[in-house]
Amino acid sequence: DAGITQSPRHKVTETGTPVTLRCHQTENHRYMYWYRQDPGHGLRLIHYSYGVKDTDKGEVSDGYSVSRSKTEDFLLTLESATSSQTSVYFCAISEGAGGYGYTFGSGTRLTVV
Amino acid sequence: AQTVTQSQPEMSVQEAETVTLSCTYDTSENNYYLFWYKQPPSRQMILVIRQEAYKQQNATENRFSVNFQKAAKSFSLKISDSQLGDTAMYFCALGGATNKLIFGTGTLLAVQP
Repeated sequence: DAGITQSPRHKVTETGTPVTLRCHQTENHRYMYWYRQDPGHGLRLIHYSYGVKDTDKGEVSDGYSVSRSKTEDFLLTLESATSSQTSVYFCAISEGAGGYGYTFGSGTRLTVV
Repeated sequence: AQTVTQSQPEMSVQEAETVTLSCTYDTSENNYYLFWYKQPPSRQMILVIRQEAYKQQNATENRFSVNFQKAAKSFSLKISDSQLGDTAMYFCALGGATNKLIFGTGTLLAVQP
């Protein structure tokens, strides 16, 4: 499905550098999310958006910021990457509140060295 | 606070057999939704099945069915006639009015030939 795409798919970066991950959707969904996946933790919510320029923090938001200037794009920025941010990052979209569930992107594997 | 617990980190099943993955949850909301997602080695997150809490009937999708015990806050996934392609990580997730999904830590299922 090309309804949601993430870029890049893989990235290696150095400690202390800023990194931006991009999520792009063609479904015109209102809700967009960023999660990180780590062994033993499942998926944890970093930030989410409920409309253009409307964003809020999730449970693991420290060290991350987001922006949504257009409905279709949701950017996640690691302001100064640390080794603890090595993870797989997933973007997800949802049609609405409640029980719609999510459609996920294919993930970005980020390694901070 | 909402929580999701998957107490089986790994499971194994023989091809063509039936396996049940456990999930318990906690929420104070009356209207909520439960999901099972599958993550094969490709890393893609795939929605397997969805259950609305106000519906007593257990959801089914082909070989996948759930046993939803609302009073016990239990939501197990049964896979019948297991196939090699069912080998994956399975995540249980809980959603409510806020539209933020809470995920369990996952169960890694291996289907043996």
